[in-house]
Amino acid sequence: QQQVKQSPQSLIVQKGGISIINCAYENTAFDYFPWYQQFPGKGPALLIAIRPDVSEKKEGRFTISFNKSAKQFSLHIMDSQPGDSATYFCAATYSGAGSYQLTFGKGTKLSVIP
Amino acid sequence: DAGVTQSPTHLIKTRGQQVTLRCSPKSGHDTVSWYQQALGQGPQFIFQYYEEEERQRGNFPDRFSGHQFPNYSSELNVNALLLGDSALYLCASSRDSLGTYEQYFGPGTRLTVT
Repeated sequence: QQQVKQSPQSLIVQKGGISIINCAYENTAFDYFPWYQQFPGKGPALLIAIRPDVSEKKEGRFTISFNKSAKQFSLHIMDSQPGDSATYFCAATYSGAGSYQLTFGKGTKLSVIP
Repeated sequence: DAGVTQSPTHLIKTRGQQVTLRCSPKSGHDTVSWYQQALGQGPQFIFQYYEEEERQRGNFPDRFSGHQFPNYSSELNVNALLLGDSALYLCASSRDSLGTYEQYFGPGTRLTVT
């Protein structure tokens, strides 16, 4: 059972455009939602994260929007650059798990073309 | 400040063999989690070690085992390798004393089973 569903699988955006990646979750116990960025041959790097008590969090060009009632959250990348081309993963976890184990989506491969 | 390090970078093994992967956590971190990332998929939680004990385990068979040392470094052992064990194995570290959800990943070990 996949607990975090991510879409789209791949995304092509023009340089300067907005990239939007969506995730939906099933487990209402989740209380921490990070996004990771992964370049080929590298491990995932923590990009930005949000807790369900806020609806939006912004860090530079990256913004997470969170809709608790719909059990959905999304990553917006403003002014997308070719250097943003990578695979992005949403994830979720909860303190009740004891270990804060992360449940990941399947990833979105973003290509930003000049 | 050294991040999470893993060794070796790449490994090729034959079916039925055993393999040991190593991880050193980020400075100041005391908790190590292991994840398996199949090609084109998101990472999947294998288990987590804290205070030299396995704290939680994902849906992986007993062929997967681990260990944490007093210096917080960790090993992942896989016995009786199967072709399906070919994947990128990721180590993530965190600091339990802060109750932190943030996990930082290493570059991974690419395991190929032939």
